[in-house]
Amino acid sequence: GALVYQYPRRTICKSGTSMRMECQAVGFQATSVAWYRQSPQKTFELIALSTVNSAIKYEQNFTQEKFPISHPNLSFSSMTVLNAYLEDRGLYLCGAQDLSGNTLYFGEGSRLIVV
Amino acid sequence: AQSVTQPDARVTVSEGASLQLRCKYSYFGTPYLFWYVQYPRQGLQLLLKYYPGDPVVQGVNGFEAEFSKSNSSFHLRKASVHWSDWAVYFCAVSRMSNYNVLYFGSGTKLTVEP
Repeated sequence: GALVYQYPRRTICKSGTSMRMECQAVGFQATSVAWYRQSPQKTFELIALSTVNSAIKYEQNFTQEKFPISHPNLSFSSMTVLNAYLEDRGLYLCGAQDLSGNTLYFGEGSRLIVV
Repeated sequence: AQSVTQPDARVTVSEGASLQLRCKYSYFGTPYLFWYVQYPRQGLQLLLKYYPGDPVVQGVNGFEAEFSKSNSSFHLRKASVHWSDWAVYFCAVSRMSNYNVLYFGSGTKLTVEP
């Protein structure tokens, strides 16, 4: 079956440091990957959409300088939260779309705790 | 612009009772609509999705939803709630046909009483 693995599941980092998270698609080819953030007690916000061989599109309030994304092939994507502060806390979800474009698979998320 | 409103932040039902979770959408054109569930300390799982067609969509675990263009709604229903349904439910609309770009509602936290 199709699965999406995210690593790490949980990270505690000091304010001002950076955290890299990974997203691995298993059993299908992820032509596009969307990264979302769920801040505490809030809903999911789209950070950016990454499509292989295309430019990464960031939503308003999110920038490449803060959330650089790599999507080198059809099974892997990574995102880094640079200079993390309290407002960056939350659950970061990776959603991967398969070749048919009909199905979106989510990982279980990478939780970022900033102290 | 596309958006989704879930007017009920919290809903409490008794186990075995019926359930309806409300969702209103705002979208110019034909929407693609989704319901996701988030169990405690977990990510998102897809319950069901609506593409243009039959307005009543069947999902997993006995859930269904009905699309209404006239009411701009996509309410989620279940005939008999189980304690394991205790979770937060999110309604979402996608931009055009790119299902990876989802706009989520604020979520409805479902509590199931014995």
